[in-house]
Amino acid sequence: RKEVEQDPGPFNVPEGATVAFNCTYSNSASQSFFWYRQDCRKEPKLLMSVYSSGNEDGRFTAQLNRASQYISLLIRDSKLSDSATYLCVVNVRGGAGTALIFGKGTTLSVSS
Amino acid sequence: DAGVTQSPTHLIKTRGQQVTLRCSPKSGHDTVSWYQQALGQGPQFIFQYYEEEERQRGNFPDRFSGHQFPNYSSELNVNALLLGDSALYLCASSLNYRTGDNNEKLFFGSGTQLSVL
Repeated sequence: RKEVEQDPGPFNVPEGATVAFNCTYSNSASQSFFWYRQDCRKEPKLLMSVYSSGNEDGRFTAQLNRASQYISLLIRDSKLSDSATYLCVVNVRGGAGTALIFGKGTTLSVSS
Repeated sequence: DAGVTQSPTHLIKTRGQQVTLRCSPKSGHDTVSWYQQALGQGPQFIFQYYEEEERQRGNFPDRFSGHQFPNYSSELNVNALLLGDSALYLCASSLNYRTGDNNEKLFFGSGTQLSVL
């Protein structure tokens, strides 16, 4: 079983749609959780951290269920600019600091 | 304030050769991590350096080695290159959580695209 598993993609949605990404992780000792966004041939960039209480940033809402080891990302009112690959990421702490374990990523394509 | 910089941006090598990739961390950061991203995959953790020592290592063979310098910059070396080593190599910097700053965010460089022929 992979450490971080994401929905297989791609997701093709029209502008204005709501889309949800799901992710599961296997290491129950994982301490921090994130969603990163990666544009084609670019470096990953932090989209948002994920907390057990759930958190929202504009059109983006992230949820964490530690008991189920499940993470989700909801994007409302999709924009063309949301087209990218979304990476589910968990933190494995050890040594000096942060080692992030990435999922394979789910590609979102928003069309007009 | 310079972000994470990597060099070179692109590199072409042949099987069996050796390669060195370089990374300068974001100003104020002291920890450097390296990731390998093959086409269609998420980044895979190679190793992490802090205080000039390798602190954590992912599931990569000994052909992959690294170094961190006193100014916190880092190098990734790959020996005996294989075709399968073709990938985007990403460097990320962060601040050691032991310093009291609980910042776990990584800042990535734009990567080095390595092609092995």
